[in-house]
Amino acid sequence: EPEVTQTPSHQVTQMGQEVILRCVPISNHLYFYWYRQILGQKVEFLVSFYNNEISEKSEIFDDQFSVERPDGSNFTLKIRSTKLEDSAMYFCASSGWGDNSPLHFGNGTRLTVT
Amino acid sequence: QKEVEQNSGPLSVPEGAIASLNCTYSDRGSQSFFWYRQYSGKSPELIMSIYSNGDKEDGRFTAQLNKASQYVSLLIRDSQPSDSATYLCAVIEINFGNEKLTFGTGTRLTIIP
Repeated sequence: EPEVTQTPSHQVTQMGQEVILRCVPISNHLYFYWYRQILGQKVEFLVSFYNNEISEKSEIFDDQFSVERPDGSNFTLKIRSTKLEDSAMYFCASSGWGDNSPLHFGNGTRLTVT
Repeated sequence: QKEVEQNSGPLSVPEGAIASLNCTYSDRGSQSFFWYRQYSGKSPELIMSIYSNGDKEDGRFTAQLNKASQYVSLLIRDSQPSDSATYLCAVIEINFGNEKLTFGTGTRLTIIP
């Protein structure tokens, strides 16, 4: 079964550094998402992306965050200047066309900011 | 703000019994409802989706939806130790296929052998 893949599985970075989290969505999917989950808390929506542009973003997704689909397969989340509170699991997800097409999540990248 | 509420648990159920998980949501515009299972340190895994009022069964799992009461539940029959996980309720207000999920905090389920 096709799956969403994320790299790296664990990223450790120092506060103030830039990080790029990478995702390869399922190949025929059209919608791409980033969610995050701070340890012990709920899964939170960050951003959705369709047709090479952001379709919706949450309050969390401020100017420090950006997303890109640099080629036909990768989908990236960049955090320009990481803060301690950015430490979380970041999940990429994708979905196909039409109502009720379920989201498929990747295995996540655990980001630790020290 | 759209809210999805779940009892955080932990909910302990003997092996072989029925586990009942509940969820309420605040946004009457919500149209799609999902139950995800999440093992510790892993990503959410979709186990059930339901879109219309009533019951939907899939193997040992039954999802129940009552839009008038803004309530969705998940029953797990013949509970197994491998069902021990956190169960996340999630809802979507459909927006032209852009499916932004709003998650609850999850209910931690422990199946006791």
